[in-house]
Amino acid sequence: DTEVTQTPKHLVMGMTNKKSLKCEQHMGHRAMYWYKQKAKKPPELMFVYSYEKLSINESVPSRFSPECPNSSLLNLHLHALQPEDSALYLCASSQDSVPSYEQYFGPGTRLTVT
Amino acid sequence: KQEVTQIPAALSVPEGENLVLNCSFTDSAIYNLQWFRQDPGKGLTSLLLIQSSQREQTSGRLNASLDKSSGRSTLYIAASQPGDSATYLCAAGNNAGNMLTFGGGTRLMVKP
Repeated sequence: DTEVTQTPKHLVMGMTNKKSLKCEQHMGHRAMYWYKQKAKKPPELMFVYSYEKLSINESVPSRFSPECPNSSLLNLHLHALQPEDSALYLCASSQDSVPSYEQYFGPGTRLTVT
Repeated sequence: KQEVTQIPAALSVPEGENLVLNCSFTDSAIYNLQWFRQDPGKGLTSLLLIQSSQREQTSGRLNASLDKSSGRSTLYIAASQPGDSATYLCAAGNNAGNMLTFGGGTRLMVKP
């Protein structure tokens, strides 16, 4: 099973709301990633978690707060977002964060900030 | 900083044609090169992963090659089908954290 699941599929939130995106994998992978993809653009890396610890933060604004409660679960907490944060948020996982491991992506959460 | 470019940005071909998608990268110190397919509004499906020590990988009608020294990878699709219509993304894997840098993608349309 090479499945990464993400919930919700769609999310509409106001700029004063607090919401969370959830990502789950049961492949025993120890690295998990958040990417942001704007329309007609390639995905851009936001965060990397390795063995449940944040290893890379690509200078993401603090209104995005990642969390890795256990090795199977990755959350992205959202607060005080801006309309320009509207995008497809993709989660991925790989066996390890050591280079050369294949990344498997989830279907994404389509976020609209109003 | 790694930069990845894909040419062409869009491609329309009749069904049955063999086609080649191109990917180039500026930093040859990559660990791997991964090709993905993305349908509109959907996530990414991994197609092929080529390790830096490999020259090519094959899966069904797909063949991907890698030439690190020239900073290029190609995805060859044989006997294209309408179901192959999608955006194809290549991504170069670099050092720490297994970070992927994506190209802008090639939007492929295969007409029946």
